Amino acid sequence: DQQVKQNSPSLSVQEGRISILNCDYTNSMFDYFLWYKKYPAEGPTFLISISSIKDKNEDGRFTVFLNKSAKHLSLHIVPSQPGDSAVYFCAASAIEGAQKLVFGQGTRLTINP
Amino acid sequence: DAGITQSPRHKVTETGTPVTLRCHQTENHRYMYWYRQDPGHGLRLIHYSYGVKDTDKGEVSDGYSVSRSKTEDFLLTLESATSSQTSVYFCAISLNPADTQYFGPGTRLTVL
Repeated sequence: DQQVKQNSPSLSVQEGRISILNCDYTNSMFDYFLWYKKYPAEGPTFLISISSIKDKNEDGRFTVFLNKSAKHLSLHIVPSQPGDSAVYFCAASAIEGAQKLVFGQGTRLTINP
Repeated sequence: DAGITQSPRHKVTETGTPVTLRCHQTENHRYMYWYRQDPGHGLRLIHYSYGVKDTDKGEVSDGYSVSRSKTEDFLLTLESATSSQTSVYFCAISLNPADTQYFGPGTRLTVL
């Protein structure tokens, strides 16, 4: 039972345009959400997070949106750059058991020049 | 970058042999984690530790054991490796349970 789902295995975007990565979750107890970025042969690196008390968090070119009623979050990257090509994982945790992150399957983002 | 190293970085072993993976941190973080990454599953938590000698199970703990005798080291042991344990294993650390987890570079394990 996949509690966090990233339904798009891959996404291709032109350099300079907006990249939108999506994530859905089923567990209503999740209250903290994160995005990680992963390059080949490296560990995931933290990108941005959002708490359930917010609906938007922005950090430079990266913005995460949270729609609690739809149990949906998205990561917007604008403008997209070639170095953004990587696999992106969303993850979620609940207040009880906050150390137990649940990850989605990942979306491979390719930025084309 | 958080000071996390994993050893070995690559290992090939045979079914039935014991395997130990090591995670070492220099950040003095209380929490340490072991995950495995498989296609179609993302990362799944195997075990985690919340202090020296304090460990608990994660989502996919069957066939794995862990030990933490020092703050800086967290060991993952496969007592008798199986082909289904072929995977990439990541260690992570965090200061507190709700803090961001920082990941090591990973160990690619192949069980033949």
